[in-house]
Amino acid sequence: AQSVAQPEDQVNVAEGNPLTVKCTYSVSGNPYLFWYVQYPNRGLQFLLKYITGDNLVKGSYGFEAEFNKSQTSFHLKKPSALVSDSALYFCAVREHSSYKLIFGSGTRLLVRP
Amino acid sequence: DVKVTQSSRYLVKRTGEKVFLECVQDMDHENMFWYRQDPGLGLRLIYFSYDVKMKEKGDIPEGYSVSREKKERFSLILESASTNQTSMYLCASSSPLSSYEQYFGPGTRLTVT
Repeated sequence: AQSVAQPEDQVNVAEGNPLTVKCTYSVSGNPYLFWYVQYPNRGLQFLLKYITGDNLVKGSYGFEAEFNKSQTSFHLKKPSALVSDSALYFCAVREHSSYKLIFGSGTRLLVRP
Repeated sequence: DVKVTQSSRYLVKRTGEKVFLECVQDMDHENMFWYRQDPGLGLRLIYFSYDVKMKEKGDIPEGYSVSREKKERFSLILESASTNQTSMYLCASSSPLSSYEQYFGPGTRLTVT
């Protein structure tokens, strides 16, 4: 069965430092992979997606993610964190033959000044 | 700009009441989804619809029903609200034309007392 794992409930980083939010997946076939961000009391906002092509995907607000097929990972990264990046981040995967997304449990990112 | 709207941001209902949550999208998307979000549990799919009048159960359909009479509107119904249905409810829509990326509404925080 398809699944998504976000192994860290919370990630803490200092402003200006690089950040990584981890995501691993299990799915049959070629995956469609997504990252979303959620600010307090808001819906989810799309950040970026991997469908095919270059393994490094660039998205909104300076975020990027690297697709690694051998490690079945899709980690979210940013070279220099901002306090305003503090939010809840969700990784999701769509199985190739489905229109549903499977979401991870979410990782709370806290960027301290 | 794509838009998914939900009828209420905050809602307070009494146990046993029938509750209607409305979701409207203006993107002509085929697929629509209802999730509930609870701390530590991530997003859980309640119901989804891939066409007008078509619906499928998600992971936690018990206590809920849905209606999709028009393409742009997807309603979630709590037949008899209970306190364990207090949660954040998120609506989303997607289309194969956008690689099934889901667009989310702002959410409805429902409290059942």
